[in-house]
Amino acid sequence: DSGVTQTPKHLITATGQRVTLRCSPRSGDLSVYWYQQSLDQGLQFLIQYYNGEERAKGNILERFSAQQFPDLHSELNLSSLELGDSALYFCASSKGQGTGNTIYFGEGSWLTVV
Amino acid sequence: GESVGLHLPTLSVQEGDNSIINCAYSNSASDYFIWYKQESGKGPQFIIDIRSNMDKRQGQRVTVLLNKTVKHLSLQIAATQPGDSAVYFCAERFQYDKIIFGKGTRLHILP
Repeated sequence: DSGVTQTPKHLITATGQRVTLRCSPRSGDLSVYWYQQSLDQGLQFLIQYYNGEERAKGNILERFSAQQFPDLHSELNLSSLELGDSALYFCASSKGQGTGNTIYFGEGSWLTVV
Repeated sequence: GESVGLHLPTLSVQEGDNSIINCAYSNSASDYFIWYKQESGKGPQFIIDIRSNMDKRQGQRVTVLLNKTVKHLSLQIAATQPGDSAVYFCAERFQYDKIIFGKGTRLHILP
């Protein structure tokens, strides 16, 4: 158990809908990362927050947004869902930023868009 | 797009032999590299990391080698066991805190 908690574990929703994925980082970790994993794209970096502020952005679609709250948990919002958004979404956390901060992953949230 | 490439998508190794998983990275500015193991249905699990000012680092049964000249990273697993079956990802950190993963290599252990 990495200590990173993600909910829900599984989610099935229809195209056009909006969902929110939630992440609780490990105790004491200030950085939160979001990744999308699909069969044909591997692990794609979406976005990273540190202590409530956005610090790095990857290939995150405009339909997706995220935030990190004062209690350090984070939410990834996915809207106007398309079939191609079906994937495993991982949250990860680390104590700080930069080189040497080990990043620990949660077990992921399986999103199926039908 | 941004990516860390892997030489082999699938590697089959006899139980007890050593495994070597290779990875090529493209960003010469990357300063930190990590190997992760992902078992089916689970999140990636940290194995070992190495900073760009090192060329070798050893852990328990694992060794990571870094060759910055040719931008190559490898993970060596000694005395491979059935529990080592998984997909292995290399990842690099650049642009401060952007961690980019390769597509993964599946390690298959033969009895």
